[in-house]
Amino acid sequence: SQTIHQWPATLVQPVGSPLSLECTVEGTSNPNLYWYRQAAGRGLQLLFYSVGIGQISSEVPQNLSASRPQDRQFILSSKKLLLSDSGFYLCAWSSKRQGKAEKLFFGSGTQLSVL
Amino acid sequence: DQQVKQNSPSLSVQEGRISILNCDYTNSMFDYFLWYKKYPAEGPTFLISISSIKDKNEDGRFTVFLNKSAKHLSLHIVPSQPGDSAVYFCAASVGDSWGKLQFGAGTQVVVTP
Repeated sequence: SQTIHQWPATLVQPVGSPLSLECTVEGTSNPNLYWYRQAAGRGLQLLFYSVGIGQISSEVPQNLSASRPQDRQFILSSKKLLLSDSGFYLCAWSSKRQGKAEKLFFGSGTQLSVL
Repeated sequence: DQQVKQNSPSLSVQEGRISILNCDYTNSMFDYFLWYKKYPAEGPTFLISISSIKDKNEDGRFTVFLNKSAKHLSLHIVPSQPGDSAVYFCAASVGDSWGKLQFGAGTQVVVTP
């Protein structure tokens, strides 16, 4: 069966510090990978998605970047965190299937507080 | 620009009764809708979905209704159980969108004994 691991669960970082959140998927190959964020009082917003190694698409302009160094590894980074980067970050994967939206499988999330 | 809106941030319902969660959307191009359920300290899990070619989909205690003309969908949980206490997210997508979902802000459901 497929599993998705995301860490850390909580993180408190000072403004201006770097960020690295990691996500790995097991039990599947060549998945689509996603980073979503939920800010307080809002729905989940798609930040990045990847259809393959080294292929990253950004959905919204921001202070963050993403990388996919391996097929089942997805990393969210920032060189200098802003207060507005605070939120709940979720990694997700989906299988590839032509012509139909696939349901997402989410990790357990990282609650990031930038102070 | 919130294209998917859940206007009720919370809902309290008695065990055994029906829970009705509502969701409105603005983008007429959405053709696939999903509901996710989230417990504290966990990621959302898929609950039920519906394609725009249907107006109802049922899975056990969960039924989703879609009214395309009103751009409205709802999730019915009958009967509600204590384990249903969670945050429920409505989501929508356009065509072959590869999981690029638009989510609502969620509704916190509390099922009381």
